[in-house]
Amino acid sequence: AQTVTQSQPEMSVQEAETVTLSCTYDTSESNYYLFWYKQPPSRQMILVIRQEAYKQQNATENRFSVNFQKAAKSFSLKISDSQLGDTAMYFCAFTLLIYNQGGKLIFGQGTELSVKP
Amino acid sequence: KAGVTQTPRYLIKTRGQQVTLSCSPISGHRSVSWYQQTPGQGLQFLFEYFSETQRNKGNFPGRFSGRQFSNSRSEMNVSTLELGDSALYLCASSGPSGSYEQFFGPGTRLTVL
Repeated sequence: AQTVTQSQPEMSVQEAETVTLSCTYDTSESNYYLFWYKQPPSRQMILVIRQEAYKQQNATENRFSVNFQKAAKSFSLKISDSQLGDTAMYFCAFTLLIYNQGGKLIFGQGTELSVKP
Repeated sequence: KAGVTQTPRYLIKTRGQQVTLSCSPISGHRSVSWYQQTPGQGLQFLFEYFSETQRNKGNFPGRFSGRQFSNSRSEMNVSTLELGDSALYLCASSGPSGSYEQFFGPGTRLTVL
């Protein structure tokens, strides 16, 4: 069975500082995509960053970057220069690159991040 | 390009009733996935439709069903509602085959009394 574990239910960070959210996952498959989504209080789910498992280079999107360790099945998210608008629930997720599994995201339980002024 | 839309945004039903939720994907997207979000169980996959066919299904009872129309719009139906069906129901669409990013709608908040 495929699972995603986020071990930090809540985190807080001061504005302008850096924070890292942890995620581990378990799958016996070798081809998959990993994602971080954020869900602010509005409940709108927004894609933050994507990582293809076959790529060794870590993905980066502006202030957001990941540390992808495939052998360890670890996929952490680093947020640099945290802003108040980053306050949200963050979900780690993955999907298998198999035709009839591509539409299924498996989510972790989420990490609630608070950015304090 | 317009995003994913879901209607209605809020619903209140009573136990035993049935409900239909609607999802319109991003133009050109052919895959629609549905998720249930609750505080206790988190985000759980319900099913996915692609080109009017259910391609994948999660571990939900048969009371949960869905369909997809030729214009890719999708509906999900829950029959014989139970209190535990109270949840935020999210739908997401994704693009051409090989594109695995899912774009989410704002959700439908269902409350069962």
